[in-house]
Amino acid sequence: GEDVEQSLFLSVREGDSSVINCTYTDSSSTYLYWYKQEPGAGLQLLTYIFSNMDMKQDQRLTVLLNKKDKHLSLRIADTQTGDSAIYFCAERYTGTASKLTFGTGTRLQVTL
Amino acid sequence: NAGVTQTPKFRVLKTGQSMTLLCAQDMNHEYMYWYRQDPGMGLRLIHYSVGEGTTAKGEVPDGYNVSRLKKQNFLLGLESAAPSQTSVYFCASSPQGSDTEAFFGQGTRLTVV
Repeated sequence: GEDVEQSLFLSVREGDSSVINCTYTDSSSTYLYWYKQEPGAGLQLLTYIFSNMDMKQDQRLTVLLNKKDKHLSLRIADTQTGDSAIYFCAERYTGTASKLTFGTGTRLQVTL
Repeated sequence: NAGVTQTPKFRVLKTGQSMTLLCAQDMNHEYMYWYRQDPGMGLRLIHYSVGEGTTAKGEVPDGYNVSRLKKQNFLLGLESAAPSQTSVYFCASSPQGSDTEAFFGQGTRLTVV
């Protein structure tokens, strides 16, 4: 079955690095995504990684993928107060409608 | 650029009432989806559509119906609302293919009392 899990809450100090973790169960995933949701808003795509990659870096964001352990992480360098949000990982497969399966979301709180 | 637009943004219903949520996209996307978001449970797929005139059930379809009469619109209906349907509903669309981005609407906050 399809199951994506995340820890519910993470608190970091401004300027530190944040690492948000995600585990998934379906090995047929093709793409893995990180979405950001700010309060009262929809989901905004942050970055994604193809399942044959180990790492992807995009400015302050680094995505690491461990296919053996089915573990995905998002590292945010120099975390700012504007990074406070809920972060969702999601997996997507080839197949009918390329449906996304989302994790439970991790609420990132950035403190001064 | 409108992208994905959901109406209404907020609604309060009494138990047993019916309503329709509208999702409209102006990007000519083939695929459209309806999700619900509940605390601690992430987003769960209710129904989806791979093209005009087609719909399919997702993970949590019970109590909902959908229609895709026009490619740009995807309607989500609640025939007889229940308090368990209190949630935030998100519509999304994407082009055909698994290597594409899904674009989300801003959400509809529905409360059933």
